[in-house]
Amino acid sequence: GAGVSQSPSNKVTEKGKDVELRCDPISGHTALYWYRQSLGQGLEFLIYFQGNSAPDKSGLPSDRFSAERTGGSVSTLTIQRTQQEDSAVYLCASSSEIRGGRRGDTQYFGPGTRLTVL
Amino acid sequence: AQKITQTQPGMFVQEKEAVTLDCTYDTSDPSYGLFWYKQPSSGEMIFLIYQGSYDQQNATEGRYSLNFQKARKSANLVISASQLGDSAMYFCAMREGRGNNRLAFGKGNQVVVIP
Repeated sequence: GAGVSQSPSNKVTEKGKDVELRCDPISGHTALYWYRQSLGQGLEFLIYFQGNSAPDKSGLPSDRFSAERTGGSVSTLTIQRTQQEDSAVYLCASSSEIRGGRRGDTQYFGPGTRLTVL
Repeated sequence: AQKITQTQPGMFVQEKEAVTLDCTYDTSDPSYGLFWYKQPSSGEMIFLIYQGSYDQQNATEGRYSLNFQKARKSANLVISASQLGDSAMYFCAMREGRGNNRLAFGKGNQVVVIP
């Protein structure tokens, strides 16, 4: 497909278990982002990957959260020892990192993974 | 401090009428980008329109236009000729600076278009 894809679309897990969320960016996009959307906190930045540079992890809420991007394409967000407050929709986005023009460096989002921690 | 402020309550709009969604932002960086996204009930974030801080003209994309008032730090979205499919949450977002690519989002505006 042409857009950002994420899997699974829904994930229900028990408190204390680990989960992995997957993101497949738009082909050719060099930048990849993870955000979290929850009722209480709105949309929050988590982590950003750009090419071979070190990722910007400044938005990760705790050391239970980690992410990697293999081969400059697919990314996996891992949450260890999940807590109920981790319940949210996790959104992935990608961009081409071309500044200027009508669309700047617009981030295009995937459909999200809804995570529910029981 | 909140970077993006969207304070309007939920709005009901008559089909075919125009609607303006307010967004104010806070930054001291001269280089920034402003974005509007639409999120229907299906959950996907859909890009609508972009305005760069150095752009001289207001951005337009079809029925969407951005009323950019730099001195007031506002970037209001105008949707003309509303359609039933425009019912959604609308988010204003900002990217600050040249080396920072994260987006800061507002809380969103709920719009319901009624026939």
